[in-house]
Amino acid sequence: DAGVIQSPRHEVTEMGQEVTLRCKPISGHNSLFWYRQTMMRGLELLIYFNNNVPIDDSGMPEDRFSAKMPNASFSTLKIQPSEPRDSAVYFCASRPTGVAFGYTFGSGTRLTVV
Amino acid sequence: DQQVKQNSPSLSVQEGRISILNCDYTNSMFDYFLWYKKYPAEGPTFLISISSIKDKNEDGRFTVFLNKSAKHLSLHIVPSQPGDSAVYFCAASGGGADGLTFGKGTHLIIQP
Repeated sequence: DAGVIQSPRHEVTEMGQEVTLRCKPISGHNSLFWYRQTMMRGLELLIYFNNNVPIDDSGMPEDRFSAKMPNASFSTLKIQPSEPRDSAVYFCASRPTGVAFGYTFGSGTRLTVV
Repeated sequence: DQQVKQNSPSLSVQEGRISILNCDYTNSMFDYFLWYKKYPAEGPTFLISISSIKDKNEDGRFTVFLNKSAKHLSLHIVPSQPGDSAVYFCAASGGGADGLTFGKGTHLIIQP
């Protein structure tokens, strides 16, 4: 299994531009999570899906952030418009539903907004 | 409001000695605790976990201790090896919410 696959690995964009981060979870994992890592706040949960349905998006910082999971094998996190304070590493993780320790993380997308 | 706290941003330990990483939490509803290890440019990888009904879990060189009354857990690595140099995250789950709540991490440096 290739694990959780995220793309791109690095993204540099100008303030105001739209950014789309992508994630392919492990096949058979019903739950998908988006996390953001910053120096100030560490790893924060942004949103998670169970069976492609968003369950809790209370961690999404503002309306500029949106996430979708159109099918079991693909999810996107979109920022529009992007701002310099959005610069962070964004991780996607998946796990089988109900397995407390079964999280597998992707390698992350390092986003820099200039 | 940090519900999971790792108060030591970094820790330096000599190779062969014991490394002890600490973690405190405030939410008494947490019922599962995990430690993750992270190398630069990689995602966190699962290391060891413990349920709130236990006070100790051991896996090879790694042992996690849980003190529920103190809302404190610790990760012991013995003996420490150079490959253990990484950032270690404490995480907790439970309280009716899915997902993990992470601490900010401790950067462990194993010195030869």
